[in-house]
Amino acid sequence: GEDVEQSLFLSVREGDSSVINCTYTDSSSTYLYWYKQEPGAGLQLLTYIFSNMDMKQDQRLTVLLNKKDKHLSLRIADTQTGDSAIYFCAESLTGGYQKVTFGTGTKLQVIP
Amino acid sequence: GAVVSQHPSWVICKSGTSVKIECRSLDFQATTMFWYRQFPKQSLMLMATSNEGSKATYEQGVEKDKFLINHASLTLSTLTVTSAHPEDSSFYICSARRLAELAKNIQYFGAGTRLSVL
Repeated sequence: GEDVEQSLFLSVREGDSSVINCTYTDSSSTYLYWYKQEPGAGLQLLTYIFSNMDMKQDQRLTVLLNKKDKHLSLRIADTQTGDSAIYFCAESLTGGYQKVTFGTGTKLQVIP
Repeated sequence: GAVVSQHPSWVICKSGTSVKIECRSLDFQATTMFWYRQFPKQSLMLMATSNEGSKATYEQGVEKDKFLINHASLTLSTLTVTSAHPEDSSFYICSARRLAELAKNIQYFGAGTRLSVL
């Protein structure tokens, strides 16, 4: 089955860039997602990428996908204190009957 | 668009009682809804998948008689924790998916319900 791994914690200074990394195991066609969870709240979909893409950019967010290494990263430019949250990487095989497998989450702490 | 409302956000109940949690898609029709459980500082664990008008599909190890799921309409799914015990205390999160986004499996999440069983 799919397995998604993330580092647990990242600390950055306000204004710097943050890079959150994720590795996954499945080599089939897949969608990969980044979700944000603030304390005591549900998950907010930030962005997603299909496995035939290498990069996707959306305002301050850049997603990079290295299919060979099965490595996904989320770069947040000009990190703000409001970006402090837990970021989950997730994976789903194509097709609506597949489960979404979530990583363990990376807690991002932004230091003013 | 794609707003999911979950209610209540926090509930405290006595051991042995039942608790119902509602999940509503406010601005779209959700052909499929999902229920997850999240333990402190851990990832989400899928409990069950519910399709409108049919029985829910439970993940292995999840007791269907304990966690009753009803998906009676395209905008509402409910999770009832029956005869709750302290070990059922957790953060329960629902999500919903639009038919148009089935292939991409994009899910929109509610804000979660924190259940504390005394």
